[in-house]
Amino acid sequence: NAGVTQTPKFQVLKTGQSMTLQCAQDMNHNSMYWYRQDPGMGLRLIYYSASEGTTDKGEVPNGYNVSRLNKREFSLRLESAAPSQTSVYFCASSEDGRPGLAGALRYNEQFFGPGTRLTVL
Amino acid sequence: ELKVEQNPLFLSMQEGKNYTIYCNYSTTSDRLYWYRQDPGKSLESLFVLLSNGAVKQEGRLMASLDTKARLSTLHITAAVHDLSATYFCAVDISTSGTYKYIFGTGTRLKVLA
Repeated sequence: NAGVTQTPKFQVLKTGQSMTLQCAQDMNHNSMYWYRQDPGMGLRLIYYSASEGTTDKGEVPNGYNVSRLNKREFSLRLESAAPSQTSVYFCASSEDGRPGLAGALRYNEQFFGPGTRLTVL
Repeated sequence: ELKVEQNPLFLSMQEGKNYTIYCNYSTTSDRLYWYRQDPGKSLESLFVLLSNGAVKQEGRLMASLDTKARLSTLHITAAVHDLSATYFCAVDISTSGTYKYIFGTGTRLKVLA
């Protein structure tokens, strides 16, 4: 199993350009997530998809859009890149991020992809 | 607002020494995660702590959880150079019908030979 894969690994954009970061997982996970990591700030959630067909905003969604293409794939799009979006982007997946119907806790360990290092000039 | 605070942020220690990293969080959560990140790499899961009083150990690392104090610790015993990395804790909270992680800012550990 490849786990969580991301493409590209590195990207340089000019301000105003657009691009899509791709993420795929082969663990049959229901939930997928996009994070950005900036120095000294840990990881911040951009968007997530609790299950196929649903997407929701995280802490820092402005300037981004997402598509849950199918159960395996979750893409992140920058429509008009800005220097403030220079960061390392991580995709992650978990078995199921939804609380159980009976309120029982679900084991929500997240597995991370290798990351995409994006520079916007 | 949920906050997850780690301390120290930076830790430089000699090989063979013991030390503890602390993770405090500001709201109720029954699950806490510890991850390791090597420079330029992704995050690797170390521990998942699911209930109050949970303790897990792997090699020289031991993690514990006190949900009443909203505190988790990651204890390092007899540190070795290979443990040099950044360690993150995270809690997940239920909101809008799903669980989301909130990460701490990380503790950068450097073990000196």
